Parts: sequence; structure tokens; C-alpha cells
Amino acid sequence: KQEVTQIPAALSVPEGENLVLNCSFTDSAIYNLQWFRQDPGKGLTSLLLIQSSQREQTSGRLNASLDKSSGRSTLYIAASQPGDSATYLCAVKTFSGNQFYFGTGTSLTVIP
Amino acid sequence: NAGVTQTPKFQVLKTGQSMTLQCAQDMNHEYMSWYRQDPGMGLRLIHYSVGAGITDQGEVPNGYNVSRSTTEDFPLRLLSAAPSQTSVYFCASSPGTGLRNTEAFFGQGTRLTVV
Repeated sequence: KQEVTQIPAALSVPEGENLVLNCSFTDSAIYNLQWFRQDPGKGLTSLLLIQSSQREQTSGRLNASLDKSSGRSTLYIAASQPGDSATYLCAVKTFSGNQFYFGTGTSLTVIP
Repeated sequence: NAGVTQTPKFQVLKTGQSMTLQCAQDMNHEYMSWYRQDPGMGLRLIHYSVGAGITDQGEVPNGYNVSRSTTEDFPLRLLSAAPSQTSVYFCASSPGTGLRNTEAFFGQGTRLTVV
């Protein structure tokens, strides 16, 4: 079974700092990896989707990378803002089964 | 742009009661699924559907039923609620018959408490 781990579980940074969130997975046979943002009491908002054939995806201040062979993905957030405060989840879709496997998330707090 | 709509947003049930969580999407997506989110465990798949009339079990299906009579709707039924079913439930949809290379869209969630 695919296991997805996100480290750290919580992160607090001052505004303006660049930061990296980490996601690791045990089965490298994946179709894609998706990063989500979840605000307290809210649903999941898709941030970036990386196909298995891609190395990275960018959207604004966000950049996600994928290294299938090592089972890792990183989400880079540039020039962090208080509005970036949320929980960030990564999820992978493997060849077997028909579901996403989720990590438990990194709770990010950006201090003004 | 409604996307994926879940109702209700909050619900309190007594043990043994039954209820249906509603999920509707207006994007003509073939694939729909239900997840539950529990502290420290991440989201886990309950049931999914690859199209109208077709459903299958996910990782944690016990105590739940689903049906898919239309493309738009995918209700989740709790047959006899138990305290272990206290959780936040998310419905998701995706184009195509699987999640292979397509983006998933999630609803806002239903927070269920069973007392």
C-alpha cells in the first residue's frame, strides 16, 4: 500500500521568507501527484498537479517538483505572505487502485 | 461556478440513526468519490464511482452505502451511525473514468458528529 509522509507537520515562518514543504511516498509507480491547500474548516483547493512524466510545475509563487525515483516531491513557496497560512496536503495516484493516497499535511503559519 | 457541492455542512446524529450526505457536481465529471478525514490519518477513500450505475469500495467502506443514478449526484448513506464515523467527509470529482492524469476537485466538506 502506498504510504505518503509529509514533513514537517507544522511550520512557522516570518512573512517574506521562502520555504519548502516536503512530501515522500513509498511506491514510485505513480500517475501523478497533486498539492492541495486546506483552510480551517474548509475543503481542499488544488494548487498544482504534476504528471508522472514531469519534473516540476509552477503557478505564481508556487513551484512543485517531483522526483519519482527517490519518491519525493517538494512545494516551494516564494516570498511567503500571511494569506499563505493553511494546511498543505500532497496526494499521489498510483497505478493500482483508483484513489489518491494523502499525506497528513503540513500546517503553515506565516507571521506578519 | 458551483463545482462540487456538499450538503449539509454540519450534522449531529445519534448512534444508530441513518442519514444521507449529498454530493453534486456540475462539471460533467465521470469519476466521483467520497473520503473521510480524521486527525493524524490523512484522507481515506470510502467509495468511488467511475460513472452512472457503477460504484466500488475504497479503503474504508464498512458502514457506508453509495449509489450513482446520475452523472451529477453521488450520495453517501450511513446505515446506522456509530461514534467511529465522526469525521469530516469530502466528496471529490474528476473528468474521465479514473484519476490517472487528471486533476481532482473537492467539495467543502461535511462535518459529522455521532453522539
